[in-house]
Amino acid sequence: QLQLQESGPGLVKPSETLSLTCSVSGGSINSNNFYWGWIRQTPGKGLEWIASIHYGGRIYFNPSLKSRVTVSVDTSKNQFSLNLSSATAADTALYFCARHGDVLRFLGFDYWGQGTLVTVSS
Amino acid sequence: SYELTQPPSVSVSPGQTARITCSGNAMPDQSAYWYQQKPGQAPVIVIYKDSERPSGIPERFSGSSSGTTVTLTISGVQAEDEADYYCQSSDSSSTYWVFGGGTKLTVL
Repeated sequence: QLQLQESGPGLVKPSETLSLTCSVSGGSINSNNFYWGWIRQTPGKGLEWIASIHYGGRIYFNPSLKSRVTVSVDTSKNQFSLNLSSATAADTALYFCARHGDVLRFLGFDYWGQGTLVTVSS
Repeated sequence: SYELTQPPSVSVSPGQTARITCSGNAMPDQSAYWYQQKPGQAPVIVIYKDSERPSGIPERFSGSSSGTTVTLTISGVQAEDEADYYCQSSDSSSTYWVFGGGTKLTVL
């Protein structure tokens, strides 16, 4: 059974970079058929897709966040990561990592991590 | 930016049918997906590609599409179905994935 687990600081100072890692177990991140994505949830804006990455390096971004987002994959550790620069209070959210198929085989976000709460505050 | 519109809340009595709608301009050309989220848990996909049901999802969950609106139907609602439901789709590029604002289903 595929499992995803987010990790990272729960508190980030304003203007600093929010960094999270998603560890994948029960399956390989080196799959041609899947992308690995980040989604966040806030009470005010609901669920917001941030970005998705393929192990081969192709990345899709939410245009509204693209200028501040970096995503990467570490195949040796079966992990992928998110960096969100210049964090503000508006970035305070529950962050999920999730898997989905590629564009031609998209069947939804079928596996999710449990989520990790990140608060941006001084 | 592309937006999907859902009603904030729907209430039904046990055994009745709940219908949750989701509207978006690109819906005629893009598939829709539905997720159930219970408090403190991650979302779980209950419908994919408008009307397909993943394994393990009860048959009482179904989906349909008509024009710019898609509908999640839960027949014979049970108390355990009380949750937030989110629709998800993409814009015309197919690479910008968007969620609706969510609908809280209350089982009276």
